[in-house]
Amino acid sequence: DTGVSQNPRHKITKRGQNVTFRCDPISEHNRLYWYRQTLGQGPEFLTYFQNEAQLEKSRLLSDRFSAERPKGSFSTLEIQRTEQGDSAMYLCASSSTQGNTGELFFGEGSRLTVL
Amino acid sequence: QKEVEQNSGPLSVPEGAIASLNCTYSDRGSQSFFWYRQYSGKSPELIMFIYSNGDKEDGRFTAQLNKASQYVSLLIRDSQPSDSATYLCAVKTPPTLTFGKGTMLLVSP
Repeated sequence: DTGVSQNPRHKITKRGQNVTFRCDPISEHNRLYWYRQTLGQGPEFLTYFQNEAQLEKSRLLSDRFSAERPKGSFSTLEIQRTEQGDSAMYLCASSSTQGNTGELFFGEGSRLTVL
Repeated sequence: QKEVEQNSGPLSVPEGAIASLNCTYSDRGSQSFFWYRQYSGKSPELIMFIYSNGDKEDGRFTAQLNKASQYVSLLIRDSQPSDSATYLCAVKTPPTLTFGKGTMLLVSP
């Protein structure tokens, strides 16, 4: 069990550019979540997948954001035409529906800075 | 909107003292509650979860749940400087978790 892996860990980009983050969940976990966290705030839910199906999206997920999990394994989160307000830590988490205690296992996050 | 409220702190305690962290939630139907610890610049890691009213102990940590008052707390006994972190309260709002803003704990040597 290698845990949840995210990359890149840090991304600095200019306003208007597109960025993509990747998340590899714990291998036996069928649920995958994306959260966003800004300074002084708790993680805010963006979207979640069960296997390859994206089952819920937050109102925070504007149309510039798109997430995919094409084979039910890794996931990508793309932000198009980045804005300074997108600067945040993007956290990926996974969980299993088998014997599920409700716990989410978080990756180390991908920190985005939009200049 | 389902809300989870925490005092942002910082809560300052001396080494060896008991730290008490509190959390209230708005959804009376909530069933599962979690405490995560987050060091600066790191991701949240689970400390413990609680489902039933009363106390649940794990080492130096005790979670307390009072569903009638919609209140969850975390007690840390014999606080250590290494406990200095932000503590996030989370409530299960299926299929995900809703987090509070966290309380920063500072334990001074």
